[in-house]
Amino acid sequence: RKEVEQDPGPFNVPEGATVAFNCTYSNSASQSFFWYRQDCRKEPKLLMSVYSSGNEDGRFTAQLNRASQYISLLIRDSKLSDSATYLCVVKRGSQGNLIFGKGTKLSVKP
Amino acid sequence: DAGITQSPRHKVTETGTPVTLRCHQTENHRYMYWYRQDPGHGLRLIHYSYGVKDTDKGEVSDGYSVSRSKTEDFLLTLESATSSQTSVYFCAISDFDTGELFFGEGSRLTVL
Repeated sequence: RKEVEQDPGPFNVPEGATVAFNCTYSNSASQSFFWYRQDCRKEPKLLMSVYSSGNEDGRFTAQLNRASQYISLLIRDSKLSDSATYLCVVKRGSQGNLIFGKGTKLSVKP
Repeated sequence: DAGITQSPRHKVTETGTPVTLRCHQTENHRYMYWYRQDPGHGLRLIHYSYGVKDTDKGEVSDGYSVSRSKTEDFLLTLESATSSQTSVYFCAISDFDTGELFFGEGSRLTVL
């Protein structure tokens, strides 16, 4: 089983839609969780950290379920500019490196 | 944007030749990383550095070596390039051992 697994998509949604991405991780010792965004042929950039209590940043909401080893990202009112690949990232322990999922591709259509 | 540059941005080389990719930062960050990204595999860590002359292996380090003689430069060397090393290589930096990495624009390497 891969350490971080994501549905590769693509998710094709109309503007204004709400879309949710899921991610599972296998190492129960994982301590920190993140979502990165990567535009086509560009470098990844941090979108948001994921906290145990869940957190929101504008139209984006991240949730963590440690018991199920599951992370989610919800995007409300999708914009054309949200089209990108979203990478789920997990940090192994306090001194561990980051493990990247393969990414979920989102395409928002007019 | 973080001050991080990679060179060369594109390179085509032949099997068996040595290749060096350079990562240069102007942020004085302690940690530097080299990743490769391939379709179907996502980003995978090759090597990383936690200070000058302090480096360690990542999950796909075979066939690669690194050096960091100055805080601002982190070099990735393929001693004898193989076709399996055709990839996009990203350098990243971070100040603390957190989850926020700042990536360079990537170096696209093709080994024929």
